[in-house]
Amino acid sequence: GAGVSQSPSNKVTEKGKDVELRCDPISGHTALYWYRQSLGQGLEFLIYFQGNSAPDKSGLPSDRFSAERTGGSVSTLTIQRTQQEDSAVYLCASSSQGAKNSPLHFGNGTRLTVT
Amino acid sequence: GNSVTQMEGPVTLSEEAFLTINCTYTATGYPSLFWYVQYPGEGLQLLLKATKADDKGSNKGFEATYRKETTSFHLEKGSVQVSDSAVYFCALSDQMGGGSYIPTFGRGTSLIVHP
Repeated sequence: GAGVSQSPSNKVTEKGKDVELRCDPISGHTALYWYRQSLGQGLEFLIYFQGNSAPDKSGLPSDRFSAERTGGSVSTLTIQRTQQEDSAVYLCASSSQGAKNSPLHFGNGTRLTVT
Repeated sequence: GNSVTQMEGPVTLSEEAFLTINCTYTATGYPSLFWYVQYPGEGLQLLLKATKADDKGSNKGFEATYRKETTSFHLEKGSVQVSDSAVYFCALSDQMGGGSYIPTFGRGTSLIVHP
């Protein structure tokens, strides 16, 4: 079946521009996560959506970052006024319930380069 | 807070050698533990998991045992293959302050297997 799909796979943008990254989770998965992976670093949690509940935004690094999830499915991560330190691979994952034992299913990520 | 520490890589081995990748964790509660693998050019995928103390997760010849007394979840394989070359991530899932389960990941360990 279809896995988690992210687009674009690569994005190069100029400093100061806004970017939108898209994630299509596995159909029926209620939980959706965004992580950021920088070179040599682990996965840094950004934001978590579970069903119709308010998202957990505790990992967003600044107010330039925001995300939404429409209709409990597709999610968009928006970075405003991009900075060079925003360059990273942005990973989206979904899980069937968001429970402690539920494994995450990852997309291939969006590599963002801010010049 | 929660954290995961894994051994630094890269780990370089010859084919058929024994593999150990160390992982230790800190958690406020009683987490579930996971190993994920990222093959070149692909997204992270679940390798194995364990949900309670003394459980052994296994898959594709890899094993890891949940050791609560030493807060460890070391990954082992008796005989590695070139196709095992990848980056391995240790992760825990535990309830966060807001009540949600958000996995925490280690930095990843790169494994390179030579023929």
